[in-house]
Amino acid sequence: KQEVTQIPAALSVPEGENLVLNCSFTDSAIYNLQWFRQDPGKGLTSLLLIQSSQREQTSGRLNASLDKSSGRSTLYIAASQPGDSATYLCAVNAGNNRKLIWGLGTSLAVNP
Amino acid sequence: GAVVSQHPSRVICKSGTSVKIECRSLDFQATTMFWYRQFPKQSLMLMATSNEGSKATYEQGVEKDKFLINHASLTLSTLTVTSAHPEDSSFYICSASGGLSGANVLTFGAGSRLTVL
Repeated sequence: KQEVTQIPAALSVPEGENLVLNCSFTDSAIYNLQWFRQDPGKGLTSLLLIQSSQREQTSGRLNASLDKSSGRSTLYIAASQPGDSATYLCAVNAGNNRKLIWGLGTSLAVNP
Repeated sequence: GAVVSQHPSRVICKSGTSVKIECRSLDFQATTMFWYRQFPKQSLMLMATSNEGSKATYEQGVEKDKFLINHASLTLSTLTVTSAHPEDSSFYICSASGGLSGANVLTFGAGSRLTVL
């Protein structure tokens, strides 16, 4: 059974820091992995999607990596800003039925 | 890009009433839509998968007679919470697959916050 774990559960950093959020999954047979952002009481915004054949994806200050063999993905945020404060969710697509297995998220606070 | 509109964003209702939540794909045809529920400080939990023109597939533990899902067209799926009770208060989110991004990419709605008094 696929399980997704995110570490840390919460993170508070001063503005400008570079930071790394971690996601691990137990079954390496995945189709893709996605990182989402969720603001309090709001829906989800897809940040980056990495297909199983890819090693990383970049969008602006965000870079996500995928190491299937070790069951890990990281989301790197460069030069963090207060507007980056949100919960970051990692989700694994473990089958061709598009069911996503979710982590509990990392709650990020970037302090001005 | 693909956009999914979810309505209403917030709804408050009395116990025993029914509430309908709509999920629309605005610029693509969504062959499959998914409904999730999220309780505070918990992960998203998939409730059901709906395909246009067929019955929804419910996850274990989700009452199909309580959470009615209708996917009558390629752009609209609805979730009706029947005879809602306070324990049904939650954040409901839909997602849709399809469009130019392909079947393996999901686009999410903004969610609907249901409060049952």
